[in-house]
Amino acid sequence: QVPLQESGPGLVKPSGTLSLTCAVADDYISSSDWWSWVRQPPGKGLEWIGEINHSGRANYNPSLRGRVTMSIEKSKNQFSLNVRFVTAADTAVYYCARAEVDGIWSFFDPWGQGTLVTVSS
Amino acid sequence: DIQMTQSPSTLSASVGDRVTITCRASQSISSLLAWYQQKPGEAPKVLIHKASNLESGVPSRFSGSESGTEFTLTITSLQPDDFGTYYCQQYNSSPLTFGGGTKVEIK
Repeated sequence: QVPLQESGPGLVKPSGTLSLTCAVADDYISSSDWWSWVRQPPGKGLEWIGEINHSGRANYNPSLRGRVTMSIEKSKNQFSLNVRFVTAADTAVYYCARAEVDGIWSFFDPWGQGTLVTVSS
Repeated sequence: DIQMTQSPSTLSASVGDRVTITCRASQSISSLLAWYQQKPGEAPKVLIHKASNLESGVPSRFSGSESGTEFTLTITSLQPDDFGTYYCQQYNSSPLTFGGGTKVEIK
């Protein structure tokens, strides 16, 4: 069983909202307090979007300029990502991942398989 | 933001070669660095955390080291399965940032 699985629309119109959900396998949801989103534009590197914990506290990358919101639904073993006012620059493969806290911040393990979101009219 | 500069951006090596990838942080990150391997069409997979701690199940030919703000990933004897792109990531401070990647090709 894949421990994390992203889902959501693969195509979003410019100025719209990108919405993705990450389903976490039952045996994983209780093993960590923090969950993250990372994205990768086609052919490019990785960018951390942010993280959320079981209490709903979130930390975001300032580079997204306040367009990002994360939420968590523990009863459904899932957490979600919304990115508002998207442009072509938001086209990327979006990954959800468990944040392995080591000190204050985290590295990522495991990752979902990723889902490509294209912003286009 | 802490900038992570990786080099080289690409390298081509033969099976059995010793391969070294370098990642330099723009400021001190107190050993809080992870290395990932990503194969085409797949998600990254963590190899090493805290600069030199090998993840469970990762072959012992992979190792990590540090000297100040310079971090090194070494593959002692390159294997055919080691192709892919390698990324470093600092988790000393937010925003968490990645290096630009090193693409490893097998000759």
